[in-house]
Amino acid sequence: RKEVEQDPGPFNVPEGATVAFNCTYSNSASQSFFWYRQDCRKEPKLLMSVYSSGNEDGRFTAQLNRASQYISLLIRDSKLSDSATYLCVVPRGGSQGNLIFGKGTKLSVKP
Amino acid sequence: GAVVSQHPSWVICKSGTSVKIECRSLDFQATTMFWYRQFPKQSLMLMATSNEGSKATYEQGVEKDKFLINHASLTLSTLTVTSAHPEDSSFYICSARGGTTNTEAFFGQGTRLTVV
Repeated sequence: RKEVEQDPGPFNVPEGATVAFNCTYSNSASQSFFWYRQDCRKEPKLLMSVYSSGNEDGRFTAQLNRASQYISLLIRDSKLSDSATYLCVVPRGGSQGNLIFGKGTKLSVKP
Repeated sequence: GAVVSQHPSWVICKSGTSVKIECRSLDFQATTMFWYRQFPKQSLMLMATSNEGSKATYEQGVEKDKFLINHASLTLSTLTVTSAHPEDSSFYICSARGGTTNTEAFFGQGTRLTVV
């Protein structure tokens, strides 16, 4: 299994739709996980952190399944402004805790 | 949130020259800084990790003599691309974290390097 693996998409959804992305990881010792959002030609920005079973922030919900080693990101009531690439990020482990990025899932929300 | 400033935001250089990119944490002490490279339509690839005052740890396949990393203080890390070639043209992004391995990293704005 790759360190971090995501479905690259693209996911093309209409406004108002609910969309979910999955991400699998190989390091069973990882304790924290992150979802970042990256707009075209911009740096990634933190969207959500996941430390336990899940986290919810408005329209965004992240869930963690340690047994199956995957995390998911659910976006409800999609907005045009949600169009971006969503990056799943997992610490590699060890004292430095290098952050390893998935290849990203591209989301395009259409009117 | 925490601020990480990266400079320059873009640079064009001639093949064979060297380019230095700076990454500064403005309001926190960055114990660890990461350097990534991103080619068009590809994901961020970790190049190296540096801890203040120690040598950087490079990922497999990244030439440490070509990509010189210096992390001399808790607020500054630099990446120097030596003897740049057109294939080094890419988007270089630094990130910094100040806490434990469970804390998120904050990213600089990125540097778009074009080698002609």
